[in-house]
Amino acid sequence: DAGITQSPRHKVTETGTPVTLRCHQTENHRYMYWYRQDPGHGLRLIHYSYGVKDTDKGEVSDGYSVSRSKTEDFLLTLESATSSQTSVYFCAISGGPSGRGLEQFFGPGTRLTVL
Amino acid sequence: AQTVTQSQPEMSVQEAETVTLSCTYDTSESDYYLFWYKQPPSRQMILVIRQEAYKQQNATENRFSVNFQKAAKSFSLKISDSQLGDAAMYFCAYRSAGGNKLVFGAGTILRVKS
Repeated sequence: DAGITQSPRHKVTETGTPVTLRCHQTENHRYMYWYRQDPGHGLRLIHYSYGVKDTDKGEVSDGYSVSRSKTEDFLLTLESATSSQTSVYFCAISGGPSGRGLEQFFGPGTRLTVL
Repeated sequence: AQTVTQSQPEMSVQEAETVTLSCTYDTSESDYYLFWYKQPPSRQMILVIRQEAYKQQNATENRFSVNFQKAAKSFSLKISDSQLGDAAMYFCAYRSAGGNKLVFGAGTILRVKS
């Protein structure tokens, strides 16, 4: 257990509403990531962070924003949820405090349904 | 951009038998890392095995081993003595040596029959 939690674990929302998912780590890893998992696509990177207030876009960033005001927290926001954003969302951490660790550790996932 | 392809959407194996999951990737880089992750029904992502591209020796972790063919850009996972607990979705993933992001394949569902 890499000390990574996600909240909420399940959420059902309606099209057009804002949604924020939270990732919290207790391991002081430098890098944090948000992925979405969809059938036939594996996991795809949405956004990642390489330090406090340092973030960058991933492969499927449209419609998502992120923020990292503290080392331990990485927030993913859907400003106006759409049905195409129905997915399972995973947070991951890596690098350790130095940023050199190779392995990514994953949170338990959040199942989001947009009606 | 790098891509990872898993051409087998589903595989089945009899308990105690051996199964091989395929993965190919496309990259112009010479230094990188390859991973196999397991995702059981609990949804938790678990690292199974890792291979550094600069190492010629294939990685092994207990019943799990890889066949890394750098020139062919192939990275297959062999599971020996399959157990019911091996039933899961398996993902192959690529990471540049100079980066931190993972690129995943679409996954292979492995079913283990008793």
